Amino acid sequence: GAVVSQHPSRVICKSGTSVKIECRSLDFQATTMFWYRQFPKQSLMLMATSNEGSKATYEQGVEKDKFLINHASLTLSTLTVTSAHPEDSSFYICSARDQYGVGLSYNEQFFGPGTRLTVL
Amino acid sequence: RKEVEQDPGPFNVPEGATVAFNCTYSNSASQSFFWYRQDCRKEPKLLMSVYSSGNEDGRFTAQLNRASQYISLLIRDSKLSDSATYLCVVDSGGSNYKLTFGKGTLLTVNP
Repeated sequence: GAVVSQHPSRVICKSGTSVKIECRSLDFQATTMFWYRQFPKQSLMLMATSNEGSKATYEQGVEKDKFLINHASLTLSTLTVTSAHPEDSSFYICSARDQYGVGLSYNEQFFGPGTRLTVL
Repeated sequence: RKEVEQDPGPFNVPEGATVAFNCTYSNSASQSFFWYRQDCRKEPKLLMSVYSSGNEDGRFTAQLNRASQYISLLIRDSKLSDSATYLCVVDSGGSNYKLTFGKGTLLTVNP
């Protein structure tokens, strides 16, 4: 149980295009999903917290108009990188928290396999 | 002070060695603590939660000292498959369930 999928796993695009990444909780309902970004040899940095049916909460320094997040259902959140540029190339990872906080710990998050974005 | 700080590493150890990872956190309101492992170019995977009383899972032992805001992970009889980056992870202490990740410590176990 507690499986999270992401699609696509890898994307290469031209500068200026928009890229949409999907994050799905496959066997549980996730009222809260998180989007992280990880640059090479760096730690995961939280970009935003996505709550089902409401606007996402962005971390300081993350442009909400550039990274559009939609969490329309309890099993799906999407991140759209608009007008992507080479500096947006990174490993984007989503995670989901079980609606009822079930897991080893109340705060446990289940991670998707990540999406590697390369902007040329 | 960084929110979550870990040994910078990297650690290179022979098979069978015992290796210890250290981590400190700055938010005294944090309530949940974890060790994750991350393989190269993969997502993090939960290794174990860390409890105040300390906990053990096979060759892995985790300890928490709330007074010192210090977390540790001990790996005994290390295997080649233990090679990975070990991430210390702490919650934000609020009701928003946010997690803060340390930068990670790379472990390479050599034959």
